[in-house]
Amino acid sequence: SQQGEEDPQALSIQEGENATMNCSYKTSINNLQWYRQNSGRGLVHLILIRSNEREKHSGRLRVTLDTSKKSSSLLITASRAADTASYFCATDARSGSRLTFGEGTQLTVNP
Amino acid sequence: GAGVSQTPSNKVTEKGKYVELRCDPISGHTALYWYRQSLGQGPEFLIYFQGTGAADDSGLPNDRFFAVRPEGSVSTLKIQRTERGDSAVYLCASSFTHGNTEAFFGQGTRLTVV
Repeated sequence: SQQGEEDPQALSIQEGENATMNCSYKTSINNLQWYRQNSGRGLVHLILIRSNEREKHSGRLRVTLDTSKKSSSLLITASRAADTASYFCATDARSGSRLTFGEGTQLTVNP
Repeated sequence: GAGVSQTPSNKVTEKGKYVELRCDPISGHTALYWYRQSLGQGPEFLIYFQGTGAADDSGLPNDRFFAVRPEGSVSTLKIQRTERGDSAVYLCASSFTHGNTEAFFGQGTRLTVV
Protein backbone atom coordinates (compact mmCIF):
# COMPACT_ATOMS: atom_id res chain seq x y z
CA SER A 1 0.00 0.00 0.00
CA GLN A 2 1.08 3.58 -0.52
CA GLN A 3 3.08 5.09 2.31
CA GLY A 4 1.87 8.57 1.52
CA GLU A 5 -1.67 9.36 0.60
CA GLU A 6 -2.70 12.83 -0.42
CA ASP A 7 -6.08 14.37 -0.27
CA PRO A 8 -7.88 15.77 -2.01
CA GLN A 9 -7.09 13.98 -5.25
CA ALA A 10 -8.05 17.10 -7.16
CA LEU A 11 -8.49 20.71 -6.12
CA SER A 12 -9.71 23.63 -8.22
CA ILE A 13 -9.49 27.19 -6.91
CA GLN A 14 -9.41 30.78 -8.12
CA GLU A 15 -6.26 32.82 -8.37
CA GLY A 16 -5.50 34.56 -5.10
CA GLU A 17 -7.10 31.89 -2.94
CA ASN A 18 -5.14 29.59 -0.68
CA ALA A 19 -4.71 25.91 -1.48
CA THR A 20 -4.32 23.26 1.19
CA MET A 21 -3.27 19.69 0.46
CA ASN A 22 -2.94 16.93 3.03
CA CYS A 23 -0.79 13.84 3.25
CA SER A 24 -1.04 10.85 5.56
CA TYR A 25 1.52 8.12 6.01
CA LYS A 26 1.90 4.89 7.94
CA THR A 27 5.44 4.27 9.20
CA SER A 28 7.98 6.23 11.21
CA ILE A 29 9.88 8.69 9.07
CA ASN A 30 13.17 10.57 8.95
CA ASN A 31 11.59 13.35 6.94
CA LEU A 32 8.73 14.21 4.64
CA GLN A 33 9.15 16.07 1.40
CA TRP A 34 6.78 17.80 -0.98
CA TYR A 35 7.34 17.81 -4.72
CA ARG A 36 5.63 19.47 -7.65
CA GLN A 37 5.22 17.98 -11.11
CA ASN A 38 4.12 19.63 -14.31
CA SER A 39 2.74 17.62 -17.21
CA GLY A 40 3.81 14.23 -15.86
CA ARG A 41 7.55 14.78 -16.26
CA GLY A 42 10.30 15.77 -13.82
CA LEU A 43 9.51 16.43 -10.20
CA VAL A 44 10.71 19.59 -8.52
CA HIS A 45 11.55 19.55 -4.85
CA LEU A 46 9.60 22.16 -2.87
CA ILE A 47 10.36 21.65 0.79
CA LEU A 48 11.70 19.07 3.25
CA ILE A 49 10.53 18.86 6.84
CA ARG A 50 12.36 16.68 9.34
CA SER A 51 10.60 14.46 11.82
CA ASN A 52 11.58 16.73 14.71
CA GLU A 53 10.15 19.82 13.02
CA ARG A 54 6.52 20.90 13.18
CA GLU A 55 6.30 23.71 10.67
CA LYS A 56 8.38 25.12 7.86
CA HIS A 57 7.99 28.04 5.48
CA SER A 58 9.41 28.78 2.07
CA GLY A 59 8.06 31.80 0.25
CA ARG A 60 4.33 31.22 -0.29
CA LEU A 61 4.58 27.64 0.96
CA ARG A 62 3.87 26.49 4.48
CA VAL A 63 4.27 22.87 5.52
CA THR A 64 3.20 21.34 8.80
CA LEU A 65 4.02 17.93 10.18
CA ASP A 66 2.19 16.07 12.92
CA THR A 67 4.07 12.86 13.67
CA SER A 68 1.53 11.77 16.27
CA LYS A 69 -1.16 11.75 13.57
CA LYS A 70 1.28 10.74 10.82
CA SER A 71 0.08 13.58 8.66
CA SER A 72 1.38 16.66 6.87
CA SER A 73 -0.20 19.56 5.08
CA LEU A 74 1.04 21.86 2.33
CA LEU A 75 -0.46 25.34 2.15
CA ILE A 76 0.10 27.54 -0.88
CA THR A 77 -0.96 31.09 -0.16
CA ALA A 78 -2.14 33.66 -2.73
CA SER A 79 -2.18 31.05 -5.47
CA ARG A 80 -1.33 31.85 -9.08
CA ALA A 81 -2.30 30.20 -12.34
CA ALA A 82 1.34 29.08 -12.62
CA ASP A 83 0.88 26.97 -9.46
CA THR A 84 -1.29 24.59 -11.50
CA ALA A 85 0.45 21.22 -11.22
CA SER A 86 0.39 17.90 -9.38
CA TYR A 87 1.74 17.93 -5.85
CA PHE A 88 3.18 14.86 -4.17
CA CYS A 89 4.29 14.12 -0.67
CA ALA A 90 7.13 11.66 -0.22
CA THR A 91 8.31 10.03 2.96
CA ASP A 92 11.79 8.91 3.85
CA ALA A 93 11.17 6.06 6.28
CA ARG A 94 13.62 5.36 9.08
CA SER A 95 13.86 1.73 8.12
CA GLY A 96 13.97 2.33 4.41
CA SER A 97 16.28 3.47 1.68
CA ARG A 98 13.84 5.21 -0.61
CA LEU A 99 11.40 8.04 -0.94
CA THR A 100 7.87 6.66 -1.06
CA PHE A 101 5.40 8.82 -2.94
CA GLY A 102 1.68 9.18 -2.65
CA GLU A 103 -0.75 9.41 -5.54
CA GLY A 104 -0.67 13.19 -5.62
CA THR A 105 -3.10 16.09 -5.64
CA GLN A 106 -3.90 17.74 -8.95
CA LEU A 107 -4.20 21.46 -8.28
CA THR A 108 -5.83 23.75 -10.82
CA VAL A 109 -5.67 27.49 -10.25
CA ASN A 110 -8.10 29.34 -12.47
CA PRO A 111 -7.14 32.84 -13.63
CA GLY B 1 25.67 19.45 -16.17
CA ALA B 2 23.58 21.48 -13.81
CA GLY B 3 20.86 18.92 -13.31
CA VAL B 4 20.00 15.25 -13.70
CA SER B 5 19.99 14.31 -17.36
CA GLN B 6 18.01 11.42 -18.77
CA THR B 7 18.23 10.07 -22.29
CA PRO B 8 16.36 9.47 -24.44
CA SER B 9 13.45 11.70 -23.49
CA ASN B 10 11.10 9.46 -25.44
CA LYS B 11 11.48 5.88 -26.55
CA VAL B 12 9.06 3.81 -28.60
CA THR B 13 9.86 0.14 -28.90
CA GLU B 14 8.17 -3.00 -30.04
CA LYS B 15 6.99 -5.63 -27.61
CA GLY B 16 9.75 -8.14 -26.94
CA LYS B 17 12.62 -5.76 -27.65
CA TYR B 18 15.42 -4.75 -25.28
CA VAL B 19 15.81 -1.13 -24.15
CA GLU B 20 18.35 0.86 -22.19
CA LEU B 21 17.55 4.09 -20.39
CA ARG B 22 20.37 6.32 -19.27
CA CYS B 23 20.67 8.62 -16.27
CA ASP B 24 23.46 11.12 -15.72
CA PRO B 25 23.20 12.38 -12.14
CA ILE B 26 24.44 15.62 -10.66
CA SER B 27 28.20 15.51 -10.24
CA GLY B 28 29.20 14.46 -6.73
CA HIS B 29 25.86 12.89 -5.85
CA THR B 30 26.47 9.44 -4.41
CA ALA B 31 22.85 8.34 -4.17
CA LEU B 32 20.90 7.54 -7.34
CA TYR B 33 17.30 6.36 -7.61
CA TRP B 34 15.13 4.98 -10.39
CA TYR B 35 11.36 5.38 -10.28
CA ARG B 36 8.56 4.47 -12.66
CA GLN B 37 5.41 6.51 -13.02
CA SER B 38 2.23 5.54 -14.78
CA LEU B 39 -0.38 8.08 -15.83
CA GLY B 40 -2.28 9.54 -12.93
CA GLN B 41 -0.20 7.80 -10.29
CA GLY B 42 2.70 8.67 -8.06
CA PRO B 43 6.26 7.57 -8.77
CA GLU B 44 6.92 3.95 -7.87
CA PHE B 45 10.35 3.04 -6.50
CA LEU B 46 12.47 0.64 -8.53
CA ILE B 47 16.07 0.69 -7.29
CA TYR B 48 18.52 2.74 -5.26
CA PHE B 49 22.30 2.95 -5.69
CA GLN B 50 24.77 4.15 -3.13
CA GLY B 51 27.96 4.61 -5.13
CA THR B 52 28.41 1.69 -7.49
CA GLY B 53 26.33 -0.82 -5.58
CA ALA B 54 22.60 -1.39 -5.62
CA ALA B 55 21.68 -0.81 -1.99
CA ASP B 56 18.04 -1.66 -2.53
CA ASP B 57 16.62 -3.28 -5.67
CA SER B 58 13.44 -4.53 -4.07
CA GLY B 59 11.27 -2.36 -6.29
CA LEU B 60 12.30 -4.01 -9.55
CA PRO B 61 9.12 -5.75 -10.73
CA ASN B 62 10.76 -8.88 -12.15
CA ASP B 63 14.01 -10.23 -13.58
CA ARG B 64 13.47 -8.49 -16.91
CA PHE B 65 14.56 -5.29 -15.19
CA PHE B 66 18.18 -4.63 -14.30
CA ALA B 67 20.20 -1.53 -13.54
CA VAL B 68 23.90 -0.77 -13.28
CA ARG B 69 26.08 2.08 -12.14
CA PRO B 70 29.60 0.77 -12.81
CA GLU B 71 31.61 3.87 -11.97
CA GLY B 72 29.33 5.40 -9.39
CA SER B 73 28.08 8.10 -11.71
CA VAL B 74 26.03 7.32 -14.83
CA SER B 75 23.39 4.63 -14.44
CA THR B 76 21.62 2.53 -17.04
CA LEU B 77 18.26 0.88 -16.52
CA LYS B 78 17.89 -2.15 -18.77
CA ILE B 79 14.61 -3.81 -19.66
CA GLN B 80 14.59 -7.11 -21.52
CA ARG B 81 11.71 -8.57 -23.50
CA THR B 82 9.62 -5.44 -23.07
CA GLU B 83 5.89 -5.78 -22.51
CA ARG B 84 3.11 -3.26 -23.12
CA GLY B 85 2.67 -2.97 -19.37
CA ASP B 86 6.19 -1.55 -19.11
CA SER B 87 4.98 1.64 -20.80
CA ALA B 88 5.48 4.48 -18.34
CA VAL B 89 7.70 7.44 -17.56
CA TYR B 90 10.96 6.29 -15.99
CA LEU B 91 12.37 8.87 -13.62
CA CYS B 92 15.88 9.08 -12.26
CA ALA B 93 16.87 11.10 -9.22
CA SER B 94 20.10 11.78 -7.39
CA SER B 95 21.01 13.23 -4.04
CA PHE B 96 24.25 14.23 -2.35
CA THR B 97 23.83 11.43 0.11
CA HIS B 98 21.00 9.29 1.34
CA GLY B 99 18.72 10.53 4.05
CA ASN B 100 17.51 13.98 5.08
CA THR B 101 18.47 15.56 1.79
CA GLU B 102 16.37 16.52 -1.19
CA ALA B 103 16.42 14.42 -4.32
CA PHE B 104 16.82 16.07 -7.70
CA PHE B 105 14.85 14.51 -10.52
CA GLY B 106 15.52 14.35 -14.22
CA GLN B 107 12.81 15.00 -16.80
CA GLY B 108 12.26 11.31 -17.28
CA THR B 109 12.15 8.96 -20.23
CA ARG B 110 8.71 8.23 -21.61
CA LEU B 111 8.78 4.59 -22.71
CA THR B 112 6.04 3.33 -24.99
CA VAL B 113 5.90 -0.35 -25.85
CA VAL B 114 3.75 -1.07 -28.89
